[in-house]
Amino acid sequence: EVQLVQSGAEVKKPGESLKISCKGSGYSFSNHWIGWVRQMPGKGLEWMGIIYPVDSDTRYSPSLQGHVTISADKSINTAYLQWSSLKASDTAMYYCARRYSRGDNFDYWGQGTLVTVSS
Amino acid sequence: QSVLTQPPSVSGAPGQRVTISCTGSSSNIGAGYDVHWYQQLPGTAPKLLIYISINRPSGVPDRFSGSKSGTSASLAITGLQAEDEADYYCQSFDINLSAWVFGGGTKLTVL
Repeated sequence: EVQLVQSGAEVKKPGESLKISCKGSGYSFSNHWIGWVRQMPGKGLEWMGIIYPVDSDTRYSPSLQGHVTISADKSINTAYLQWSSLKASDTAMYYCARRYSRGDNFDYWGQGTLVTVSS
Repeated sequence: QSVLTQPPSVSGAPGQRVTISCTGSSSNIGAGYDVHWYQQLPGTAPKLLIYISINRPSGVPDRFSGSKSGTSASLAITGLQAEDEADYYCQSFDINLSAWVFGGGTKLTVL
């Protein structure tokens, strides 16, 4: 069974750093792109970026590039999303999702990680 | 402002048919990129509902169907049930942005 399990909820202060994770199981992790999707409170889905674990080829949303870093460790089947300096506007639910091998949709999703940034 | 435009809300009575539209442009749906649909039940992660415009993953009832024409796509739900009350999102790829793009989402209310 394909599963993506994300790390737990985080509460941080503005300016702090953070790295959240997404661990895949039940499939060949290295051979599927993993994307990250943001959902701000009461809002819709926003694609942030995507990584191919086998070679760490990474693409970012033009609106978010430079503010977040996406990485992966294929040896432990885990992808990461990190911030070096959080802002209050980063408060959101973050989902990782596996890209379907024969298309550009996301076929399996993690349960989400809620990040709250507040002073 | 989402690249793909959806109506904010639709509603229907149990048993009825509703459709949700997704309007794009020549740089995404009109450029031939596939359209996919997701269902997000309250408090849960999105779930793939329709992929490559018309295909249903196993386990998705055939009450859900998708179509695509030109720069637009539609999701149809027949035989509405209370459990269908959720937010629905379309998604495609935009060649000008080099980005995966989502619609703004449509809240379905079952009356």
